[in-house]
Parts: sequence; structure tokens; C-alpha cells
Amino acid sequence: NAGVTQTPKFQVLKTGQSMTLQCAQDMNHEYMSWYRQDPGMGLRLIHYSVGAGITDQGEVPNGYNVSRSTTEDFPLRLLSAAPSQTSVYFCASSYSIAGAYEQYFGPGTRLTVT
Amino acid sequence: KNEVEQSPQNLTAQEGEFITINCSYSVGISALHWLQQHPGGGIVSLFMLSSGKKKHGRLIATINIQEKHSSLHITASHPRDSAVYICAVGGATNKLIFGTGTLLAVQP
Repeated sequence: NAGVTQTPKFQVLKTGQSMTLQCAQDMNHEYMSWYRQDPGMGLRLIHYSVGAGITDQGEVPNGYNVSRSTTEDFPLRLLSAAPSQTSVYFCASSYSIAGAYEQYFGPGTRLTVT
Repeated sequence: KNEVEQSPQNLTAQEGEFITINCSYSVGISALHWLQQHPGGGIVSLFMLSSGKKKHGRLIATINIQEKHSSLHITASHPRDSAVYICAVGGATNKLIFGTGTLLAVQP
């Protein structure tokens, strides 16, 4: 299994540009999430999905869209990039064990918006 | 006040030392997670705990549900243990709340 994969690993955007961060998992996990990691702060949840066709907002959803057309893929779209979106983005998938969720993280995408 | 607090924020140890990192939380949880992140690297799940104690190699994680407190111990520390250790708590909805991490440096 490849686990959770993310592309690209690095990206530089200009303010106003749009792009999609890709995330895929091959473990047939129902749950997938997007987080951003900023210096001095814990990871923060952007959007999450509990299964194909079902998505919901997390703590910091503004400026981002998601969709989940298949169990495997969960892309994150930046609609109009802003410098405040400079961050490291992690995708994660998880499955339930007796009411708790075992987490698997992707390698991350480092995004810089100039 | 953050819902998940870790201490210390930074820790420097000599190779071979016994290390303890603490995590306190203020919300009800289904499980507590300990994660490891090497510099510039991805995040790896070390433990998921609902009660008691778990051990994996030189790493031990404990949780006291009544006290809302968990500890991560590293025995016989090694420079390759140098990383950020992150505590996260999750409830029934699978939304995790993360601590800000403990930066550990183990010197040879």
C-alpha cells in the first residue's frame, strides 16, 4: 500500500492564483481530512469528509473548497490564493476502531503565496 | 486557554537519558494520539490511547482519563529520536484538536 499520498510537495503561487492540492489513499478509509500547519500553532482542520459525496467544514475553511467523488481522492482547492494561506498542508485518512480513529497522514505540501 | 496543552515546549537531552513529555486536555475524548514529526518531514502516528498504557520499542505512552493527562516516555534516548512530538485528542466525530508540539533534541 502507498498509504496517503499528496502532490505536489512544494508549490509557489502568486496572490490571486488558484490551484488544487491532491490527496489520495489506497486503504479504503472512509474518513479523510485536510489540515494546515503554521509555526507556533497546532494543526488546524480545514475540511473533512466522512465518505464519498459527504464533506463538511472544519475550523478554518475560508478560502478553500473540497469535494469527495470517490473514497480514494480528496482534493483541496484554493480559490484565490492569499499570503495568509502560506502554510504546510497535510491530508489524513482514518478509520474507526471501537469509536476511536486511527490516523494516517500524508507527507505534506509546502505552499508559499507571494 | 488551549484545549490541549503540552509541556515542555522545548527539550534538550543527552543520548541515553529517559525523556518525558506531558499532555493535558480539557475536553471529553474518545482517544488521545501521540504523533511524531521529523524536521521538514511528514507526521507519523505513534500511539492511539483510550485508557491505560501502551509500549512500542523504547516508547511508552500512558493516559489518565480522570486527570485528563497523558505522558509520552522515551527510554534510552537516541539522536534519531530528535523530532517534534504532538499530542492530539479526538472525540466521537473524529475531529482532532492538536497541541502545539514539543521540540525534542537529543545530543550525542
